[in-house]
Amino acid sequence: VIWMTQSPSLLSASTGDRVTISCRMSQGISSYLAWYQQKPGKAPELLIYAASTLQSGVPSRFSGSGSGTDFTLTISCLQSEDFATYYCQQYYSFPHTFGQGTKLEIK
Amino acid sequence: QVQLVQSGAEVKKPGASVKVSCKASGYTFTSYDINWVRQATGQGLEWMGWMNPNSGNTGYAQKFQGRVTMTRNTSISTAYMELSSLRSEDTAVYYCAREYTAAAGFIDLWGRGTLVTVSS
Repeated sequence: VIWMTQSPSLLSASTGDRVTISCRMSQGISSYLAWYQQKPGKAPELLIYAASTLQSGVPSRFSGSGSGTDFTLTISCLQSEDFATYYCQQYYSFPHTFGQGTKLEIK
Repeated sequence: QVQLVQSGAEVKKPGASVKVSCKASGYTFTSYDINWVRQATGQGLEWMGWMNPNSGNTGYAQKFQGRVTMTRNTSISTAYMELSSLRSEDTAVYYCAREYTAAAGFIDLWGRGTLVTVSS
């Protein structure tokens, strides 16, 4: 099993800020990492796959980077609709584990 | 349109089983693997397993081995997840979700979720 450490668990920021969320793996996963956004009462939505490929329709202020064991999701200029919970997921090996989540709240 | 429509909320007693359905529409059901993911209230996402709707092949997270069964009926483009020996800790929203492409591993389409409540 690949263990994931996602940090921080809670992030307070303001509209217009640049924020980063980290996901660290217990072993290398190449670039087999996805990021999702989830809003309360809704299913998650895919933001990024293959560590850095933006899903169609996702705003360009979202970006992903990293490979191996360390990955980052960056939101370059926070908009009001970005306040949500974010999850990373590795799909390098089964089980396809999710990170613990990062709740992004308004400061 | 492309969507996954899940069955309605369930209330079960401890020790019982629940079977959640997930009907696919707007795409070729047998061309994309289906995953099941659950989320307890206020908690994170937990990956349960996957199924290839074409072959019926499945893979389950160790935690659920022996308690979960994922099946499908291709004639009606529907996937099923059955969880047995329910306990209170199984109370959660259960999502079915489609992988981006065949065996992609990550998910691009989610159902709206089915709340399963386990209570005596």
